[in-house]
Amino acid sequence: QVQLQQSGPGLVKPSQTLSLTCAISGDSVSSNSAGWNWVRQSPTRGLEWLGRTYYRSEWYSDYAVSVKGRITVNPDTSKNQFSLQLNSVTPEDTAVYYCARTDWGVDAFDVWGQGTVVTVSS
Amino acid sequence: QSVLTQPPSVSGAPGQRITISCTGSSSNLGASYDVRWYQQLPGTAPKLLIYGNTHRPSGVPDRFSGSKSGTSASLAITGLQAEDEAAYYCQSYDSSLSAWVFGGGTKLTVL
Repeated sequence: QVQLQQSGPGLVKPSQTLSLTCAISGDSVSSNSAGWNWVRQSPTRGLEWLGRTYYRSEWYSDYAVSVKGRITVNPDTSKNQFSLQLNSVTPEDTAVYYCARTDWGVDAFDVWGQGTVVTVSS
Repeated sequence: QSVLTQPPSVSGAPGQRITISCTGSSSNLGASYDVRWYQQLPGTAPKLLIYGNTHRPSGVPDRFSGSKSGTSASLAITGLQAEDEAAYYCQSYDSSLSAWVFGGGTKLTVL
């Protein structure tokens, strides 16, 4: 059974960097048939896909236009996890952040982390 | 404003059948990208209900079914139960945005 466990701070100051980690059990971040995503949810923006990383003989990353230039999603093969870094945050980035797996056979977000409430405030 | 449009709320009595619509455009549902549906109970992460327009993951009751035609998709729930009270979201891919996109969500109330 695949499980995703999120960790990271719940409070970030404006202009600083939001950093979250998603630890994977029951699958591999280096799987050739999965992608590893970050999705956030807020009352104003609803559910919003932010970006992903995946391995197909080499590593790839894709990012949403809304956060491109501020976001990095990186794999950590030594710990079987992946991370989110969102720079220069503003109060608009306040949301519940989820990590989620995309299984290529299902082509959907089939496993989700528990969610992390992140508040951007001084 | 979400790329995929859903009604904000629907309601039904126990045992009844309800449908939730999801309307897109030529750059997502109309471009033959599949629709997925998720159920979100309060305070929890979304759960995959339907993928590939009509397919249910193992463990999802056959009371839940999906369909898609052109730029629209629907989720149907038959034999409504109190435990079905939740928010439901559609999701697809949008080629103009090069991104996965979600609907704004529909809150289902079981009367």
